[in-house]
Amino acid sequence: DGGITQSPKYLFRKEGQNVTLSCEQNLNHDAMYWYRQDPGQGLRLIYYSQIVNDFQKGDIAEGYSVSREKKESFPLTVTSAQKNPTAFYLCASSYQSGEQYFGPGTRLTVT
Amino acid sequence: DQQVKQNSPSLSVQEGRISILNCDYTNSMFDYFLWYKKYPAEGPTFLISISSIKDKNEDGRFTVFLNKSAKHLSLHIVPSQPGDSAVYFCAASARDSNYQLIWGAGTKLIIKP
Repeated sequence: DGGITQSPKYLFRKEGQNVTLSCEQNLNHDAMYWYRQDPGQGLRLIYYSQIVNDFQKGDIAEGYSVSREKKESFPLTVTSAQKNPTAFYLCASSYQSGEQYFGPGTRLTVT
Repeated sequence: DQQVKQNSPSLSVQEGRISILNCDYTNSMFDYFLWYKKYPAEGPTFLISISSIKDKNEDGRFTVFLNKSAKHLSLHIVPSQPGDSAVYFCAASARDSNYQLIWGAGTKLIIKP
């Protein structure tokens, strides 16, 4: 079955801790993306990667980091520098200029 | 500055009737538009798209209309069904921005029985 997986579905962390969210795809897509969704808002782009070992900042990259060591994987680290980390995080992938396909999301709660 | 705007936060429609969701954009360089549907606590799913060289694209109960002069697109769902209740996002992209998607804030569609 082809698709995008994100784990875990729910994640709880204490303030001041870094946390890494997983995203894996087996669609053979070149591009991968991380978005954040807050209540009543659209999706805001955190980071994206169009090719292995390369990635670019999106609109709200501060306090986040990513890596793209494999085509299938694009993990996102939410660092302690992110001021408002509690949110719903969505990973997506696409061919370079096609529709983006989304994973099920990870809801991160930081207390 | 919001380049893609969905001015209606919510819309309520009777089951069986037509649902019309609207989206406006400001960037004339956008050449590809998409609609996504999202249920709570799930990722968005792609519904339908339209290229700027067309003014209409139809897929089953879903039709997207594009009016380039007005920088406006709309999604028509007919007939509306209970399972259509969700948040609908409009997104747009441009070739010169590597097709990065710019998203509207979404419209919550509620289908009443």
